[in-house]
Amino acid sequence: ETGVTQTPRHLVMGMTNKKSLKCEQHLGHNAMYWYKQSAKKPLELMFVYNFKEQTENNSVPSRFSPECPNSSHLFLHLHTLQPEDSALYLCASSQLRDGRPEAFFGQGTRLTVV
Amino acid sequence: GQQVMQIPQYQHVQEGEDFTTYCNSSTTLSNIQWYKQRPGGHPVFLIQLVKSGEVKKQKRLTFQFGEAKKNSSLHITATQTTDVGTYFCAGSHQTGANNLFFGTGTRLTVIP
Repeated sequence: ETGVTQTPRHLVMGMTNKKSLKCEQHLGHNAMYWYKQSAKKPLELMFVYNFKEQTENNSVPSRFSPECPNSSHLFLHLHTLQPEDSALYLCASSQLRDGRPEAFFGQGTRLTVV
Repeated sequence: GQQVMQIPQYQHVQEGEDFTTYCNSSTTLSNIQWYKQRPGGHPVFLIQLVKSGEVKKQKRLTFQFGEAKKNSSLHITATQTTDVGTYFCAGSHQTGANNLFFGTGTRLTVIP
């Protein structure tokens, strides 16, 4: 248990579906992240939220829409995905600027788009 | 764009042998972190290096940051089966920035 909880753990969705991934951190951190991990690619940083403000969007397609209502919760809204979007989606959190740089990852959501 | 490459991509070693993975960035890094991901698990932070030429040790693990702050290495002495997993380096470009770009990872298999 890392203090970062992701739900659901597994998700199968059709290309016309709309679904959301949820992440909650219980560590009091002020930064949260979405990463995508595919079989043959490195961990790809998708979005960064610092103090609830989005500070990074690494050219992610608009079919992925993040939402950060507060510093403890992060969502990734999905719509009209493609089969190549199938991957492990990892949420992480960290505490900025207090000498503890490490990112704490959740267990991930294994997404399959059919 | 930002690129952090790791070699080798895969490594199989006999238990007791040493293992090294190398991380190379196309640009100078502010700091570098190392993570380990067990099969079926999520990345777990191991260490951060900040200074040019820095060397840190954790038991059988030795981490090094290059003088030019563009490369790093992780060396494991006398591997054990518990060392199995994928080792990632992750770099940041700016001091205090939290945009971590992960390397391609090295998957280590230890044969008992």
